[in-house]
Amino acid sequence: NAGVTQTPKFQVLKTGQSMTLQCAQDMNHEYMSWYRQDPGMGLRLIHYSVGAGITDQGEVPNGYNVSRSTTEDFPLRLLSAAPSQTSVYFCASGTGTTYEQYFGPGTRLTVT
Amino acid sequence: DQQVKQNSPSLSVQEGRISILNCDYTNSMFDYFLWYKKYPAEGPTFLISISSIKDKNEDGRFTVFLNKSAKHLSLHIVPSQPGDSAVYFCAASESGSNYKLTFGKGTLLTVNP
Repeated sequence: NAGVTQTPKFQVLKTGQSMTLQCAQDMNHEYMSWYRQDPGMGLRLIHYSVGAGITDQGEVPNGYNVSRSTTEDFPLRLLSAAPSQTSVYFCASGTGTTYEQYFGPGTRLTVT
Repeated sequence: DQQVKQNSPSLSVQEGRISILNCDYTNSMFDYFLWYKKYPAEGPTFLISISSIKDKNEDGRFTVFLNKSAKHLSLHIVPSQPGDSAVYFCAASESGSNYKLTFGKGTLLTVNP
């Protein structure tokens, strides 16, 4: 069991570029989420999915897009990167029956 | 509007002593609370949780206490070990919304040998 995997680990983008952060889980979890963590802040929810084909916005969704075509994968797309999106991004997954979420190792993104 | 507050950014304790990390919340709809531990350059890992129908949950050296009337919870680590040095996040979830966690800002715990 690899758990939750994220790629890439590090990424540097220029303002205006687009990219996709990949997230995959092999635990057959229904729920998947994307959070961002900024210095001095807790984790903030960007988007989440309660199952394949179902996504919704979290607390800070602007500038991000998601889709979930399979149970395993939940990619996060940055449409036009801005310096304010410099952050560490964590993907998480959970079952539909418990509250615990399991996190990936994170992607550190810098937008210049 | 911060719904989960960890007012101590850092805490330093001696090895073998008790560590007490505190968390306050404002949303009365929260009914499940979790603590996560995070080492640098890693993702958060689940540590312990408590439902609002309980006031205490224990798992080895870790105990979480919940005071619903005060909207306050605390994590006790006894005895503290140097390997416990990490950032600890308090998180909360509303009933029926277990896909959505609201996190505090975290407390950096340093356990000195």
